[in-house]
Amino acid sequence: DAGVIQSPRHEVTEMGQEVTLRCKPISGHDYLFWYRQTMMRGLELLIYFNNNVPIDDSGMPEDRFSAKMPNASFSTLKIQPSEPRDSAVYFCASSYGSSNYGYTFGSGTRLTVV
Amino acid sequence: SQQGEEDPQALSIQEGENATMNCSYKTSINNLQWYRQNSGRGLVHLILIRSNEREKHSGRLRVTLDTSKKSSSLLITASRAADTASYFCATPVPISGSARQLTFGSGTQLTVLP
Repeated sequence: DAGVIQSPRHEVTEMGQEVTLRCKPISGHDYLFWYRQTMMRGLELLIYFNNNVPIDDSGMPEDRFSAKMPNASFSTLKIQPSEPRDSAVYFCASSYGSSNYGYTFGSGTRLTVV
Repeated sequence: SQQGEEDPQALSIQEGENATMNCSYKTSINNLQWYRQNSGRGLVHLILIRSNEREKHSGRLRVTLDTSKKSSSLLITASRAADTASYFCATPVPISGSARQLTFGSGTQLTVLP
């Protein structure tokens, strides 16, 4: 298995633009998580899905953030409109079960909003 | 607030020495996990220890868990320059029903000097 695949690896965009981050989880994993990592706040859980259904999006900072999982092999995290404070590394992770096994993380998308 | 907190925040040692990192957590857990993050990469799952286990080994890694003190330690023996990374502990926090989500500490930055 190629692991969790995220794209793009780097994204630089202007304030106000729409940004879409993509994730392909490991086949057979039933949980998918979106995290954001910054120096100031560390690793924050934004939203997670179980069997493609969003379960808890309380970590999504604002309505500008939205996430979808149309099928078991694909998820997106969208920011519209983007702001400079959204600059961070965004990670997708998947797992079998919610926490009794390890999470597999993607390599992340480094987002810079200028 | 963070469920798990690592100590120290930063650790610098010489190659060949042992490195010990500690993690304290707040609520009862059914397992505790350690992850490594190399610069610019995603987190990699290292080891999981269950609440009924006191010690676990994996190669040069040794993890202990003391549920009475709500603490864990990660020992890396005979460290190598390639062990330079950030190390995070993660603990499951209840979300709904029997489901739990992993929460991550702020990490220990380990530097192994050649």
